[in-house]
Amino acid sequence: EIVLTQSPATLSVSPGERATLSCRASQSVSSYLAWYQQKPGQAPRLLIYDASNRATGIPARFSGSGSGTDFTLTISSLEPEDFAVYYCQQRSNWQVTFGQGTRLEIK
Amino acid sequence: EVQLVESGGGLVKPGGSLRLSCAASGFTFSSYSMNWVRQAPGKGLEWVSSISSSSSYIYYADSVKGRFTISRDNAKNSLYLQMNSLRAEDTAVYYCASPFVWGQGTLVTVSS
Repeated sequence: EIVLTQSPATLSVSPGERATLSCRASQSVSSYLAWYQQKPGQAPRLLIYDASNRATGIPARFSGSGSGTDFTLTISSLEPEDFAVYYCQQRSNWQVTFGQGTRLEIK
Repeated sequence: EVQLVESGGGLVKPGGSLRLSCAASGFTFSSYSMNWVRQAPGKGLEWVSSISSSSSYIYYADSVKGRFTISRDNAKNSLYLQMNSLRAEDTAVYYCASPFVWGQGTLVTVSS
């Protein structure tokens, strides 16, 4: 099983600032990595697929990068609605796995 | 509008069974693989099962293998999860997930 490790577990950032979230895979997942945002009481929402492609309707302030084992989600200028939990997910093989999540909180 | 709507959750005793359904609309359901993902209260996301577009390929997490069965009916734009021999640790919100959108989830509670 491919293990995804997200860091940090909690990130405190002020609105308007930049946030950088990390996801590391225990073995290469090529570019088969996605990022999801989840707010309390809501289903996860797809932000980024295949490491760097924004999903439909996702603002340009969200960007993804990386390949192989190291990936980054960057939010360039935080809006109040961006404070949530973020998960990475790999689908490089049939056994899909998720990271444990990064909680992005208001500083 | 692309939409997935789950149903069938509820309270069930340990050892019991439940069948979840997911109705898809707004996209060509038959073209996409589909997944079930669950989230225990206050916990992270856990993949449960996947099925390919034509049902040719089916995969399960080790935690549910032999107890859960995924299926789909492309004529009805529907995905299913038959859950047998349920355990307390299966308590979670179960999400139906396409590659680009998830349903709102249905809560399954396993308790005596």
